[in-house]
Amino acid sequence: ETGVTQTPRHLVMGMTNKKSLKCEQHLGHNAMYWYKQSAKKPLELMFVYSLEERVENNSVPSRFSPECPNSSHLFLHLHTLQPEDSALYLCASSQDRFGTGGSYEQYFGPGTRLTVT
Amino acid sequence: RKEVEQDPGPFNVPEGATVAFNCTYSNSASQSFFWYRQDCRKEPKLLMSVYSSGNEDGRFTAQLNRASQYISLLIRDSKLSDSATYLCVVTQTGANNLFFGTGTRLTVIP
Repeated sequence: ETGVTQTPRHLVMGMTNKKSLKCEQHLGHNAMYWYKQSAKKPLELMFVYSLEERVENNSVPSRFSPECPNSSHLFLHLHTLQPEDSALYLCASSQDRFGTGGSYEQYFGPGTRLTVT
Repeated sequence: RKEVEQDPGPFNVPEGATVAFNCTYSNSASQSFFWYRQDCRKEPKLLMSVYSSGNEDGRFTAQLNRASQYISLLIRDSKLSDSATYLCVVTQTGANNLFFGTGTRLTVIP
């Protein structure tokens, strides 16, 4: 399935590195999301973009910086991460009817498995 | 109190068995409800939406009880391929909030 793609699929980075995660959706949706999934924890919603505007930022540390240049692409820029940031980062998209960025079926990409050393 | 609570399991059932999962949510203003399936080291995939009237898709039946604030998923005639983690998702219209449960792990045994 290629509805939502993410690159890279695996990333190992040191705490002083800067890297970016990329997400692309081919479903014609207008809302995109970043989630963090750590072991034995529920998915944590990090950022929501609807119509290319950020509508949610769930108190995510500033070392994570999202960017949404258009409705098909979403980036997560990473810098000076901590070992506890190691997790699976999932991108999702949906069709948002009200501009509020939520409430509808979401389609996920395969995720980027990030390890911070 | 967590927004969404699920029994983490694991549920180990034989092939052909019927198994049911429940999920409770804390906010009565919640509007939309979904069940997702997540295989090991894969992304969550939408299994089915949950409607007030209940809905069925083949061997899967989802129910919503707003008064008691829970949703359920029933799987009949379990197959080996049903082994996965089932995630309950609850959202609140207009609040930009989507809440995932921790998931219920199901293993179907031959």
